[in-house]
Amino acid sequence: GAVVSQHPSRVICKSGTSVKIECRSLDFQATTMFWYRQFPKQSLMLMATSNEGSKATYEQGVEKDKFLINHASLTLSTLTVTSAHPEDSSFYICSAKRGGSDTQYFGPGTRLTVL
Amino acid sequence: DQQVKQNSPSLSVQEGRISILNCDYTNSMFDYFLWYKKYPAEGPTFLISISSIKDKNEDGRFTVFLNKSAKHLSLHIVPSQPGDSAVYFCAASKYNQGGKLIFGQGTELSVKP
Repeated sequence: GAVVSQHPSRVICKSGTSVKIECRSLDFQATTMFWYRQFPKQSLMLMATSNEGSKATYEQGVEKDKFLINHASLTLSTLTVTSAHPEDSSFYICSAKRGGSDTQYFGPGTRLTVL
Repeated sequence: DQQVKQNSPSLSVQEGRISILNCDYTNSMFDYFLWYKKYPAEGPTFLISISSIKDKNEDGRFTVFLNKSAKHLSLHIVPSQPGDSAVYFCAASKYNQGGKLIFGQGTELSVKP
């Protein structure tokens, strides 16, 4: 199998605080992890690509200082939304892939609500 | 610039019949295509994929067809079941792009009993 977990599944925070979301590949080593954002009734928007041990590559328009990504090991990547604002409220989904394959396996997602 | 397009936002099919979900792409450099199924408030689940060297891949009730000249792929589900009701996304990737996927907008399939 290829199981990816995310934690937390749901978080509510106050404006101005920071929130950390964890993404773990449970039964395989993920050379690359991806972070997506999905707005209601829309497609998945890739935010950044994260390779273990190196800096994340951000998509155009995504603020790297606001969305901090760390990929410290082959099974864990974290996304920290810094100084969150209501417009950051969204559904954040991570995915992971093995080396040599382009198939991504997705986590269950994290619903972030910023009050 | 929408490189991967799913022009039908929704599709309704009777249980037991065939569901055909379509996807078009514009970039001829794409060489790997995938279909994902997604329920609300959950992450997408991988269904089936196809490499550009093939024109068909089958896995149980799911078959993906690829027409490279038309830059078109489709997912066939036969027979459709009510549990298949979900949003289906097609995605494409290019060789040597680090596995980055470009997603279509999704098609919401509703299978009625």
